[in-house]
Amino acid sequence: GIQVEQSPPDLILQEGANSTLRCNFSDSVNNLQWFHQNPWGQLINLFYIPSGTKQNGRLSATTVATERYSLLYISSSQTTDSGVYFCAVGTNFGNEKLTFGTGTRLTIIP
Amino acid sequence: GAGVSQSPSNKVTEKGKDVELRCDPISGHTALYWYRQRLGQGLEFLIYFQGNSAPDKSGLPSDRFSAERTGESVSTLTIQRTQQEDSAVYLCASSPRTGGPYTFGSGTRLTVV
Repeated sequence: GIQVEQSPPDLILQEGANSTLRCNFSDSVNNLQWFHQNPWGQLINLFYIPSGTKQNGRLSATTVATERYSLLYISSSQTTDSGVYFCAVGTNFGNEKLTFGTGTRLTIIP
Repeated sequence: GAGVSQSPSNKVTEKGKDVELRCDPISGHTALYWYRQRLGQGLEFLIYFQGNSAPDKSGLPSDRFSAERTGESVSTLTIQRTQQEDSAVYLCASSPRTGGPYTFGSGTRLTVV
């Protein structure tokens, strides 16, 4: 099956800093989503982005499907950004499930 | 409803007992997914429903696990003869279409003692 690798696994930043999270995947995808899991376990969908670039406030994401990677940018970090960020991908091969990466744990220090 | 609703939010059960977990998807969402997340781990796919099509059960870890969904409404995940390794958070997500954006519920935390 498809492999999804996220980097870095852990990231600790001061409030106000910017960060870039990366997601590499091993095969063609027709579905890519970024999620934030807050410290209470709730998963929030940040972006549905199988290709191209999207922005939502301080967050933006870019997927380059031909090169099999996606980037999540967080600017002017706030403590509420802390948690685990997951990239998840879906393929064309008859199974519509998303395969999740192992996540990047982000800690924002006040 | 406004979001995906899961119940119960927490369940503690004795080893060997059966448990039933419930997911109420967003109204109009045809696709429904169950995932499992063990402590500190990523999400493992369990089962996928799309409308009235046959479900994709390829992620169910053993025949002790089963799930049902009636049409495009509520789904139940049943675990028979629970084992300690079944302890995890069970997450349900729905989507307006196959391959569309997921909305997750808050999950059911299952502890088998």
